[in-house]
Amino acid sequence: GAVVSQHPSRVICKSGTSVKIECRSLDFQATTMFWYRQFPKQSLMLMATSNEGSKATYEQGVEKDKFLINHASLTLSTLTVTSAHPEDSSFYICSARAPDRGETQYFGPGTRLLVL
Amino acid sequence: GQSLEQPSEVTAVEGAIVQINCTYQTSGFYGLSWYQQHDGGAPTFLSYNALDGLEETGRFSSFLSRSDSYGYLLLQELQMKDSASYFCAVRADSNYQLIWGAGTKLIIKP
Repeated sequence: GAVVSQHPSRVICKSGTSVKIECRSLDFQATTMFWYRQFPKQSLMLMATSNEGSKATYEQGVEKDKFLINHASLTLSTLTVTSAHPEDSSFYICSARAPDRGETQYFGPGTRLLVL
Repeated sequence: GQSLEQPSEVTAVEGAIVQINCTYQTSGFYGLSWYQQHDGGAPTFLSYNALDGLEETGRFSSFLSRSDSYGYLLLQELQMKDSASYFCAVRADSNYQLIWGAGTKLIIKP
């Protein structure tokens, strides 16, 4: 199967700081990556869709200036939470897909963000 | 709006069979996926149905009826490690974005 990594797995930061989360596809080229957030005992909420070399498409209600997404290569996408606040504390998960791997989205292990 | 409905919780006994249903209402439909998520972990892909019928993969099977906007995940010979949340998700457009159900927490008792 395909492997997607995320770094860091867990981060605690002070309110007002920015946090960068990396998502890498390790053994395949991901033309599309998706960023989700998940609150405890809730479903996944799609934040944005990221295609390599183009601007991310954000879902309604997601501030693009607060959640900066960069998909600079076919194996790396980054999500930067700028000026994080306690309400941004959540589980952030990326997923990736490749045209030659059908419908499957391969998920990273997630990043748990706690903003104090 | 677009929505997926699935039970919030299902309880079953180890060794038994359980079915988790999912009905959907979406503007478009390409296929129905099922994902498993253990507490604290990320979702893992289980199955995808684009056409009507039953797809079997080991102990897990997934069914789709497009005319009824309905599908289910069938888990056989339940094991304690199957305790997890199960999400159905619909691919509704050509962008491969998924619309997710709220998840079904499967509780397995010895």
